[in-house]
Amino acid sequence: DAGITQSPRYKITETGRQVTLMCHQTWSHSYMFWYRQDLGHGLRLIYYSAAADITDKGEVSDGYVVSRSKTENFPLTLESATRSQTSVYFCASSESAGTGYEQYFGPGTRLTVT
Amino acid sequence: AQKITQTQPGMFVQEKEAVTLDCTYDTSDPSYGLFWYKQPSSGEMIFLIYQGSYDQQNATEGRYSLNFQKARKSANLVISASQLGDSAMYFCAMREGFGTNAGKSTFGDGTTLTVKP
Repeated sequence: DAGITQSPRYKITETGRQVTLMCHQTWSHSYMFWYRQDLGHGLRLIYYSAAADITDKGEVSDGYVVSRSKTENFPLTLESATRSQTSVYFCASSESAGTGYEQYFGPGTRLTVT
Repeated sequence: AQKITQTQPGMFVQEKEAVTLDCTYDTSDPSYGLFWYKQPSSGEMIFLIYQGSYDQQNATEGRYSLNFQKARKSANLVISASQLGDSAMYFCAMREGFGTNAGKSTFGDGTTLTVKP
């Protein structure tokens, strides 16, 4: 399917476990992003990537790891999940860093850490 | 640091009336873009409208318009002729063009709009 997909859509995990959220886009967009959205709040940037093998931290990167070996994939790993990481995670992509380029969002992954 | 402020946690509007959702921003970057996104109860994020910092005219997209007041650093979204389907959460976002924040976006906390029949 064309567009941006995330998997899994729903995930329940236990405290201390490692979990990886997947993101795949078919547009060959150079920029990709991971956000978290806590209940009733806006999106906070976790990590972003300007191209394959180029990643940078956002405002809430502690406890998360990313990689980007291919342009189309941008997985997010929670190294040791904590209850505070219960959230909805959105992946997004953008054609360019230019200020005029909007972001295209995936459907989100709802993660619950018990 | 870039910052987006949306001061209205919730808004109500009567169907067919216009509504303005407020957004103020803070940046020292002369080049930036301002965006509005809609998030219905289903959860997806939908791009609505964009305004560039150098644009002389306010952006419009169908029933959406952006009231851009650069000196006041405000970028309010105006929805005309509200429809029941406009009930959703609305986010203002900013993307900077230069420096260490180039390419990043900052989002506000959102405004929940409820359209009454």
